[in-house]
Amino acid sequence: GQQVMQIPQYQHVQEGEDFTTYCNSSTTLSNIQWYKQRPGGHPVFLIQLVKSGEVKKQKRLTFQFGEAKKNSSLHITATQTTDVGTYFCAGVYNQGGKLIFGQGTELSVKP
Amino acid sequence: GAGVSQTPSNKVTEKGKYVELRCDPISGHTALYWYRQSLGQGPEFLIYFQGTGAADDSGLPNDRFFAVRPEGSVSTLKIQRTERGDSAVYLCASSSLGGGTDTQYFGPGTRLTVL
Repeated sequence: GQQVMQIPQYQHVQEGEDFTTYCNSSTTLSNIQWYKQRPGGHPVFLIQLVKSGEVKKQKRLTFQFGEAKKNSSLHITATQTTDVGTYFCAGVYNQGGKLIFGQGTELSVKP
Repeated sequence: GAGVSQTPSNKVTEKGKYVELRCDPISGHTALYWYRQSLGQGPEFLIYFQGTGAADDSGLPNDRFFAVRPEGSVSTLKIQRTERGDSAVYLCASSSLGGGTDTQYFGPGTRLTVL
């Protein structure tokens, strides 16, 4: 079925440490998108991965899409307090645009 | 407007009442989506409009939920006979063309509380 699992649910790190969140789908995705939601805010688009094995970077953030297009990860190098929030992956299974969100990983960063 | 707007920002109602939630998408965006987000969860898809028509309403939980977009711009999500389990943040998003690779821009949401 169309379900995206995301782990871990929470991650507490010291500022400067790295952070990774993982998403997995049991069936092949058309593409996967990543969003960030600050406390009390709404999801804000970060990036989209479309191609098998794709890797994209945004400054300290690295996004990967698995070869089978069933899993993805977001890695943040040297976290900062501004990275605090919940990171969601959202899978797209067809061209209709419906996003299937993972449960999110809540990141807290201790200064 | 500059972004997606939603009104009201907060709505408190009593069990059994009818509510309407409004979404104003980014000007010119043909696709509009409704999601709802419960505390500690990811947004859950409800319905997707392409222009005036509902292209995918598979996420509406039951027939108490209905949404319209009569002129292809503003959309209203309508909930009849509200239940306590309907309490959540209702998010609206729009994208320029729709389709799986289009970026969705989310509004601030309407927090619905059913007492």
